Amino acid sequence: NAGVTQTPKFQVLKTGQSMTLQCAQDMNHNSMYWYRQDPGMGLRLIYYSASEGTTDKGEVPNGYNVSRLNKREFSLRLESAAPSQTSVYFCASSVGTGGTYEQYFGPGTRLTVT
Amino acid sequence: AQSVTQLGSHVSVSEGALVLLRCNYSSSVPPYLFWYVQYPNQGLQLLLKYTSAATLVKGINGFEAEFKKSETSFHLTKPSAHMSDAAEYFCAVSDRGRDDKIIFGKGTRLHILP
Repeated sequence: NAGVTQTPKFQVLKTGQSMTLQCAQDMNHNSMYWYRQDPGMGLRLIYYSASEGTTDKGEVPNGYNVSRLNKREFSLRLESAAPSQTSVYFCASSVGTGGTYEQYFGPGTRLTVT
Repeated sequence: AQSVTQLGSHVSVSEGALVLLRCNYSSSVPPYLFWYVQYPNQGLQLLLKYTSAATLVKGINGFEAEFKKSETSFHLTKPSAHMSDAAEYFCAVSDRGRDDKIIFGKGTRLHILP
């Protein structure tokens, strides 16, 4: 199993450009998440999808949109990138609802917005 | 709302010495608690989790953590540090069964001195 995969690994954007970060998992998990990681801030939840067909906002959703394309895939879109969105983005998945379930993380996407 | 506080953004220990990483939590209901580790340029992976079965939880790579309700703490320890333990460690909390979300602390970077 590949686990959680993310593409691309690195990306440089100019302010105002748009892009979509892709995430896929092959563990048949129901729930998927997008986080951003910034120095000294830990991980902050952007959006999550508890199950196929549902999405909800997390702590820092402004400037982002998500699509749960199917059970395997959960994409994150930046419509008009800003320098404040320079960060490392992680996708994660878990078996299902309830806080006991471990989250499995992808390797991350390093995004720089100039 | 639940939260975690990790004391010390950087901790340095000598190889072979005791590792102690501190985490205090706040939760209105009995929590689930987690420690995750992030090696350089990788995603997070679960070290151990507390789900009320036992207050002393053993994880991978020789780490363990003890849940102390009276102190609202869940400190991570390892008797003897190894160079390969150098990484960033995140404490996390979730409410029991309320939703999928896990709240991460800001992280503690562990440095191992030769």
